Amino acid sequence: NAGVTQTPKFQVLKTGQSMTLQCAQDMNHNSMYWYRQDPGMGLRLIYYSASEGTTDKGEVPNGYNVSRLNKREFSLRLESAAPSQTSVYFCASLFFGDSYGYTFGSGTRLTVV
Amino acid sequence: DAKTTQPPSMDCAEGRAANLPCNHSTISGNEYVYWYRQIHSQGPQYIIHGLKNNETNEMASLIITEDRKSSTLILPHATLRDTAVYYCIVRVASNFGNEKLTFGTGTRLTIIP
Repeated sequence: NAGVTQTPKFQVLKTGQSMTLQCAQDMNHNSMYWYRQDPGMGLRLIYYSASEGTTDKGEVPNGYNVSRLNKREFSLRLESAAPSQTSVYFCASLFFGDSYGYTFGSGTRLTVV
Repeated sequence: DAKTTQPPSMDCAEGRAANLPCNHSTISGNEYVYWYRQIHSQGPQYIIHGLKNNETNEMASLIITEDRKSSTLILPHATLRDTAVYYCIVRVASNFGNEKLTFGTGTRLTIIP
């Protein structure tokens, strides 16, 4: 099925561990985004990639790195996880000029202990 | 992007129309009004969008005031499955890819049996 696929769906990390959240879309969309959502809060943009080969910081980039591997894939890396990074992470994609909105993945629930 | 203001919560009886208001008094002429909803911590789902004219699709209707400073999302016959957090967002539709959604805290709509 077409859409945005995120892996893993759940993850528990110890403080200081690293991990990469994977995101892939099969809709030939140009732009991809990583958001985090803390309990009771709206979504906050971490990083985005307007096109293959480009990435830019969003509202809360500290502690994260991203890679736009190709047009389909956009990964988010936590180099040294901290409890403050416990959150639900959503990936989204958008086609240039697509006025019908963004497509979101189902999220990765990350707990850092 | 213009900021939006929404009530934090609303209730609506099942089968009745749910009217969700949004204030965007600083909206610019080239900014669209978008509505998304998030059901039970799933990824946000696109509902509808508009620029000036009222819009309707299979999910909802969007009424935008003539001065474009506010809008109302209407779910004509609310069901229990419409219980969700609804986000009103304004964004510029551009072809440059450097567009990013800014989510507030939205309106938590509860449909009452």
